[in-house]
Amino acid sequence: EDKVVQSPLSLVVHEGDTVTLNCSYEVTNFRSLLWYKQEKKAPTFLFMLTSSGIEKKSGRLSSILDKKELFSILNITATQTGDSAVYLCAQFNTGTASKLTFGTGTRLQVTL
Amino acid sequence: DGGITQSPKYLFRKEGQNVTLSCEQNLNHDAMYWYRQDPGQGLRLIYYSQIVNDFQKGDIAEGYSVSREKKESFPLTVTSAQKNPTAFYLCASSIGRGSETEAFFGQGTRLTVV
Repeated sequence: EDKVVQSPLSLVVHEGDTVTLNCSYEVTNFRSLLWYKQEKKAPTFLFMLTSSGIEKKSGRLSSILDKKELFSILNITATQTGDSAVYLCAQFNTGTASKLTFGTGTRLQVTL
Repeated sequence: DGGITQSPKYLFRKEGQNVTLSCEQNLNHDAMYWYRQDPGQGLRLIYYSQIVNDFQKGDIAEGYSVSREKKESFPLTVTSAQKNPTAFYLCASSIGRGSETEAFFGQGTRLTVV
């Protein structure tokens, strides 16, 4: 069974801190790993990772994938209160019908 | 504007009633997905579909049913067999198998059983 595990489940940091969110997965026929940010309702897309060792970066956010260790991290530097959200990790497989499986999410709270 | 639309935003249901949640997309996507989200939890997959007239059970399909008669539409019925239906339901779509792309989400439907 495909499985995505995120850690920590929740995190409280001070504005300006750097945080690392973790995502591990067990999946057959891996295709890609995705990161989303969910503030209120619809998750918004952050990154899609398909190859090991290639960092994706967008402003203060970056992410990298390790396909050998079945692991991905999402880094946020110089956190701001607007970064407070649930961060979701998901993976696509390449089975007969592509399945998109999400982890439990990490709830990040950035305080002043 | 291209996008994915869920309706209604809020839905109240009496115990024992079936209710259908709508999901429509005009992105010409082949794949569509239904997720359930409970407070403080991630997204759990209910059903997904890669092409018209075909769909697969996700991890928590019991008490739910779907149809995919049109490419644009993937309605979800919450049946009376679903023991704890109160939750936030999200629909998503993606281009489909073999294409490297993200999934896009609707704004969700919050279902409450009264």
